[in-house]
Amino acid sequence: GDSVTQMEGPVTLSEEAFLTINCTYTATGYPSLFWYVQYPGEGLQLLLKATKADDKGSNKGFEATYRKETTSFHLEKGSVQVSDSAVYFCALSSGGTSYGKLTFGQGTILTVHP
Amino acid sequence: ETGVTQTPRHLVMGMTNKKSLKCEQHLGHNAMYWYKQSAKKPLELMFVYSLEERVENNSVPSRFSPECPNSSHLFLHLHTLQPEDSALYLCASSQELAGAYEQYFGPGTRLTVT
Repeated sequence: GDSVTQMEGPVTLSEEAFLTINCTYTATGYPSLFWYVQYPGEGLQLLLKATKADDKGSNKGFEATYRKETTSFHLEKGSVQVSDSAVYFCALSSGGTSYGKLTFGQGTILTVHP
Repeated sequence: ETGVTQTPRHLVMGMTNKKSLKCEQHLGHNAMYWYKQSAKKPLELMFVYSLEERVENNSVPSRFSPECPNSSHLFLHLHTLQPEDSALYLCASSQELAGAYEQYFGPGTRLTVT
C-alpha cells in the first residue's frame, strides 16, 4: 500500500538558517504530493503541492520538487523565521478512485529560535 | 464564514455520554473526510464521503458514527467512548480537479474522554 516516510524530528534551527525536511514515498501509479503545515492549536494548512514528476511546488519561500526517480519530495527553505515554527506533514494522494484519500507521514516538528 | 469550520473546538465527555461533532465547508466541495490525530501517531483517516455517500470506513469502531446530510455538512456522532479516543478530530473537504484532490482542513475539535 501507499506510505510516506519523513525525517525524524524534532528539528531545531536558528533564524535565517537553511531548512531541509526529507520525505520519501511508496505508491502505486503516479501520486500527487503535498506538504501541509500545522501551527499550534490549529488544523492543517496546505503549504504546497506537485502533481507530476519534476514539478516544483512553492509557497511562502518553501519549495519542494517531485522526484520520481528517487521517490522523494523534500521540503526546503533558504532562510527560516521564528514564525515558521510548526509541524510539517508530507502526504500523497494516489488519485483514481481513492476519493482524494491522503496518506500522511508522521510529521516533523520544527522549532526556530531567534 | 469561510473555508472549513468545526464545532465545538473543545469537548470533554464522560464514557457514557453521547455527543456530536459538526463540520461545515463553505467551499462548494463534493468530498468530506474525518481524521483522527493522536499524540505521536500519524494522522488516521476515519471516513470519506463523496457526494454525500460514505465511500470509505477505515475499520473505525462503531462507537463513532458519521453522518453527511448534504455536501456542506458532516457530523461525527460519539457514544460510549474510551479514554484512548481522546484526540484532535479533524474534518477536511476537497473537490476533484483533473484527477487530483486538494484537501482543506478545519481547525479541529480537541476531544477529551474522562
